[in-house]
Amino acid sequence: IQMTQSPSSLSASVGDRVTITCRASQDIRDDIGWYQQKPGKAPERLIYVASSLQSGVPSRFSGSGSGTEFTLTISSLQPEDFATYYCLQHNSYPRTFGQGTKVEIK
Amino acid sequence: QVQLQQWGAGLLKPLETLSLTCAVHGGSLSGYYWTWIRQPPGRRLEWIGEISHIGSTNYNPSLKSRVTISLDTSREHFSLELTSMTAADTAVYYCARFSPFVGYNWFDPWGQGTLVTVSS
Repeated sequence: IQMTQSPSSLSASVGDRVTITCRASQDIRDDIGWYQQKPGKAPERLIYVASSLQSGVPSRFSGSGSGTEFTLTISSLQPEDFATYYCLQHNSYPRTFGQGTKVEIK
Repeated sequence: QVQLQQWGAGLLKPLETLSLTCAVHGGSLSGYYWTWIRQPPGRRLEWIGEISHIGSTNYNPSLKSRVTISLDTSREHFSLELTSMTAADTAVYYCARFSPFVGYNWFDPWGQGTLVTVSS
């Protein structure tokens, strides 16, 4: 399953609303997670099964979608949110990632 | 809280075999899938494969002919071997736990990552 993530990068200001999209090449139900990666660190989970917020993750993060189109939204970007975000499908093998979205400071 | 700690050689010559090990601290191997993932410089993350607590494996077809993932339940660690390494295998390699429980599917925790460089 191919995961097409967009945009590949974006520049935004603190307080902006940010939306990242992942499209799956076939129906993956809600078998997708979103991960945040900061430089030199392992990815950390934010959202699981498309829309469930991981415990401890701020409520400004949300996920939505089902089937083939999914979004990660940050409602009000904070300084600590500047990072790279990946979607990851676990519907079928091999598991596959989106190409990542680097969120940079404007 | 479960933590993963990984180790292994970081510099290999072409055609050598990569060996990495990931220790599971603070939790049981049972019920989960133990996974290896890599990230080539400037490229997307790539799932390498997994092993269940009972030893069943799934591998990425792109690497299947060169990959072996094994599990040592007595020592509570799992390992990755990747043969015939080339420069294209240069990457940061991560171990991670996959939770297969319906409604609770995620990759967490992750190991700290090991930078593996293939160079003559």
